[in-house]
Amino acid sequence: NAGVMQNPRHLVRRRGQEARLRCSPMKGHSHVYWYRQLPEEGLKFMVYLQKENIIDESGMPKERFSAEFPKEGPSILRIQQVVRGDSAAYFCASSPGEYGNQPQHFGDGTRLSIL
Amino acid sequence: GNSVTQMEGPVTLSEEAFLTINCTYTATGYPSLFWYVQYPGEGLQLLLKATKADDKGSNKGFEATYRKETTSFHLEKGSVQVSDSAVYFCALSDPEDDKIIFGKGTRLHILP
Repeated sequence: NAGVMQNPRHLVRRRGQEARLRCSPMKGHSHVYWYRQLPEEGLKFMVYLQKENIIDESGMPKERFSAEFPKEGPSILRIQQVVRGDSAAYFCASSPGEYGNQPQHFGDGTRLSIL
Repeated sequence: GNSVTQMEGPVTLSEEAFLTINCTYTATGYPSLFWYVQYPGEGLQLLLKATKADDKGSNKGFEATYRKETTSFHLEKGSVQVSDSAVYFCALSDPEDDKIIFGKGTRLHILP
């Protein structure tokens, strides 16, 4: 499967624990985007990364949330000290990035449930 | 700022009915416009796109025309099938940055 790969598909955490969500972009794609989808709502942009750089994190909460896209390995979205309101589906997308207006290719998402 | 507004759902139709899902946008530049579809339990899939005014995007019997004068990109299909049941998202991408702005989505139910 050459698409965007996210894991795990489902993640359950108790309040106060940490959640780590992983995203491997499509082969040849160097740009990664994270979105959050609350029930019955659209996708909200969180953060845009290129290899080793955060380009735009304007949609990411200032506290408890962080993202990285190292030179080697997948992109990681990390949520510390999770709370009930963090329950959502988190989607990753990737694009080649050389030109504007490239439609982003999405993974199947990680569904995070906070007990 | 850029934004996308699409008709609220759910929309329920019988098989073979005509479908329209309205979408309008506001943008400061010259955006590209997209329709994405999300089937239950899956991520978003690009359905069709249009990159400039008067372009028509089409795929799987769906089509949408980029109307700059009305800032609209309505999705249409002449005869829907049960398998078209999903959530449809209208979106835009501003060439000034690589973010895609999504509408809230419209849930479509097709009855056999």
